[in-house]
Amino acid sequence: AQTVTQSQPEMSVQEAETVTLSCTYDTSESDYYLFWYKQPPSRQMILVIRQEAYKQQNATENRFSVNFQKAAKSFSLKISDSQLGDAAMYFCAYRSWADGLTFGKGTHLIIQP
Amino acid sequence: NAGVTQTPKFQVLKTGQSMTLQCAQDMNHNSMYWYRQDPGMGLRLIYYSASEGTTDKGEVPNGYNVSRLNKREFSLRLESAAPSQTSVYFCASSRTSGRWAGELFFGEGSRLTVL
Repeated sequence: AQTVTQSQPEMSVQEAETVTLSCTYDTSESDYYLFWYKQPPSRQMILVIRQEAYKQQNATENRFSVNFQKAAKSFSLKISDSQLGDAAMYFCAYRSWADGLTFGKGTHLIIQP
Repeated sequence: NAGVTQTPKFQVLKTGQSMTLQCAQDMNHNSMYWYRQDPGMGLRLIYYSASEGTTDKGEVPNGYNVSRLNKREFSLRLESAAPSQTSVYFCASSRTSGRWAGELFFGEGSRLTVL
């Protein structure tokens, strides 16, 4: 079974600074997807960024980028120019087939004004 | 743009009562899922339906049943609620099933409290 580990229960960053959230995963598959979801206090799950394992290029979405290290099974999220609206729980997730996503336990991101 | 709609949003039950959480999606997705979210545990898969007419157990299926009523609707039933089932429940759907399944689209969640 796949497992996803987020080793940072909580992170804090000053507004406008850069922060990196860590994620590692364990799988024997060669083809899979990785995702970062954001969950603000509203409880809604919002997709931040996705990465296909077969792509070597790291995904980027505006201020959000990932560092995907397939051999190391590492998938970190970098948030640049942090904004107050970035405060939320962030979940790393893994998916291979149709049986849903496997989530990490989440990182609570605090933005200090 | 409704996306994934769950009802009810909040529910309080007594131990032993039954209830059904309803979920519907209007994105013509093949696959649908039910997750539960508990503090410090992330989201855990209860059941999923890869396509209409099929359902499979996820990580934490005990105490739950599901029905894929049609392509749009996927319900979750608690036959005899227990305090351990107090949680926030999320329904989700995805664009494709099989090898190249995409990201999940989530409903807003349903907070269930069992006394």
